[in-house]
Amino acid sequence: ETGVTQTPRHLVMGMTNKKSLKCEQHLGHNAMYWYKQSAKKPLELMFVYSLEERVENNSVPSRFSPECPNSSHLFLHLHTLQPEDSALYLCASSQDGAVGGSPYEQYFGPGTRLTVT
Amino acid sequence: EDKVVQSPLSLVVHEGDTVTLNCSYEVTNFRSLLWYKQEKKAPTFLFMLTSSGIEKKSGRLSSILDKKELFSILNITATQTGDSAVYLCALRPLRGSNYKLTFGKGTLLTVNP
Repeated sequence: ETGVTQTPRHLVMGMTNKKSLKCEQHLGHNAMYWYKQSAKKPLELMFVYSLEERVENNSVPSRFSPECPNSSHLFLHLHTLQPEDSALYLCASSQDGAVGGSPYEQYFGPGTRLTVT
Repeated sequence: EDKVVQSPLSLVVHEGDTVTLNCSYEVTNFRSLLWYKQEKKAPTFLFMLTSSGIEKKSGRLSSILDKKELFSILNITATQTGDSAVYLCALRPLRGSNYKLTFGKGTLLTVNP
């Protein structure tokens, strides 16, 4: 088990539901990431938070809304999703290069398998 | 868009075999190339390569980068069933985001007993 946990591990939701994914890291890192992994496609970076500020937003639809209340927790709020949003959502954390350490050694959580019906 | 291409897409071997996984890329300038192992769900970090020709080694795994020919390889010797996983290659571009990693689609390695 890594130092990054995610809940829930599996989620099935309808297109009109609102749900949230949670990520927690116990590694003392100060950067956190959301990735989407769809079948037969590369990992896609969605959002990056560094020192609790959003520093990356890769053209993600507004139906995905991230929140980073502190450096250990990251949420992804979901509403009015589409079936094509079904995927594995991975959270990762790292040290931030600006404050020492490499942001490229990212440590991943086990992911949330999301199915939108 | 920086492109990372991994080959083969899948590979089946027997325990004890040696495998070589390939990662090629199209960008000539980048900061680093990383290898991850993804079993079930969470990718785990293996290597980060920044300089051409210097081999990184960890147990039975090793990796090297060739910046002239624009590729990296990941070698696994004396494979074991526990090596079965998807191996991901990722590139950190020189320009643009300080955080973004561009991933390849991965190579699915299956090691049979």
